[in-house]
Amino acid sequence: DAKTTQPPSMDCAEGRAANLPCNHSTISGNEYVYWYRQIHSQGPQYIIHGLKNNETNEMASLIITEDRKSSTLILPHATLRDTAVYYCIVNGGSNYKLTFGKGTLLTVNP
Amino acid sequence: NAGVTQTPKFRILKIGQSMTLQCAQDMNHNYMYWYRQDPGMGLKLIYYSVGAGITDKGEVPNGYNVSRSTTEDFPLRLELAAPSQTSVYFCASSPKLTGVGYGYTFGSGTRLTVV
Repeated sequence: DAKTTQPPSMDCAEGRAANLPCNHSTISGNEYVYWYRQIHSQGPQYIIHGLKNNETNEMASLIITEDRKSSTLILPHATLRDTAVYYCIVNGGSNYKLTFGKGTLLTVNP
Repeated sequence: NAGVTQTPKFRILKIGQSMTLQCAQDMNHNYMYWYRQDPGMGLKLIYYSVGAGITDKGEVPNGYNVSRSTTEDFPLRLELAAPSQTSVYFCASSPKLTGVGYGYTFGSGTRLTVV
């Protein structure tokens, strides 16, 4: 399985963009990058995923580098409710498992 | 609302007791999963199912059993509960294998304490 590296924690001011990095240098050509988040004591929530192109939805944007070895999740206007652990996961092909690491604890400050 | 429903939300078991954690989804998803999350750790896959009648082991299956008699339901059975099974259990479902570009929908979890 491709592995990911994320910083353990980050801070962001409310209303500012939160940029969460993820390194996945061993990613294979058919593997997707997924982002989930987990607000304290709740089940993980799917945010976005991408293969090669940048993606945007109502929650966030995903920027994947051209070599696909890293990506950045962008929350354009962070709110206090975005405080959560964010997981970057690489998964593809016949691999059924989502392997969750420790993620990044994003704290949005007022 | 459509989604994954887990019951109970909380449970305290004594060592050696047994229980079943219930999971139901109403999205007609073929794939269902059970994860556990220990404090401060990521989620670990216990069992998964690719459809009714088909189940398989994940990373940490010991001490657990599952069945999948219908598309909607995927109960997790704990036999002879041990303190090491104290954890938060999450059930999830997806329409296809996540590797082809679909996200999981997770339930809100069952917090289990074994004393």
